[in-house]
Amino acid sequence: ETGVTQSPTHLIKTRGQQVTLRCSSQSGHNTVSWYQQALGQGPQFIFQYYREEENGRGNFPPRFSGLQFPNYSSELNVNALELDDSALYLCASSLVGQGIGELFFGEGSRLTVL
Amino acid sequence: DQQVKQNSPSLSVQEGRISILNCDYTNSMFDYFLWYKKYPAEGPTFLISISSIKDKNEDGRFTVFLNKSAKHLSLHIVPSQPGDSAVYFCAASSAGNNRKLIWGLGTSLAVNP
Repeated sequence: ETGVTQSPTHLIKTRGQQVTLRCSSQSGHNTVSWYQQALGQGPQFIFQYYREEENGRGNFPPRFSGLQFPNYSSELNVNALELDDSALYLCASSLVGQGIGELFFGEGSRLTVL
Repeated sequence: DQQVKQNSPSLSVQEGRISILNCDYTNSMFDYFLWYKKYPAEGPTFLISISSIKDKNEDGRFTVFLNKSAKHLSLHIVPSQPGDSAVYFCAASSAGNNRKLIWGLGTSLAVNP
């Protein structure tokens, strides 16, 4: 079974730009979550998608948005980038009904905003 | 407001000895707790979990203890191995919060040969 893959692994943007990060869920998983991990911090929950619908959101502004596709892959979009958006963005997939909180993470996309 | 706290940023242990990583939480609604391990340039990997109805869960060299009255949990690794060197995150969730995970800041464990 394939694991969670994310792209790109690294990218650099400037303030005000927009970015799209992509995630391919682990085979058979129907739920995807996105987390932001700033340097020296634990991951912060951004939102979660289940069956293409957002079903949970953390304390992030609306310029953070997402999509989940029928094949359970996902995108995280961030508009009007700010310097504080520089972080590692982690995608995690899981299967509803199996193992509360047992998420399978990708390697992350490291975003630098200049 | 940090609901899940890992007060030790780092821990150094000799190979073969016990590693004890601590975690405190403030939200009494949390009913499920997990430990994740993270190597550099990799995403976190699930290690072990415990439900609030238990006070201990064991999986091989890893044991998690939960003290609900103290709102404290700990991860014991016995015996510690150099390959255990990583950052360990404590995370918690509650049914009322859509099961989103709230994470601590992590503890960097170094196991010295």
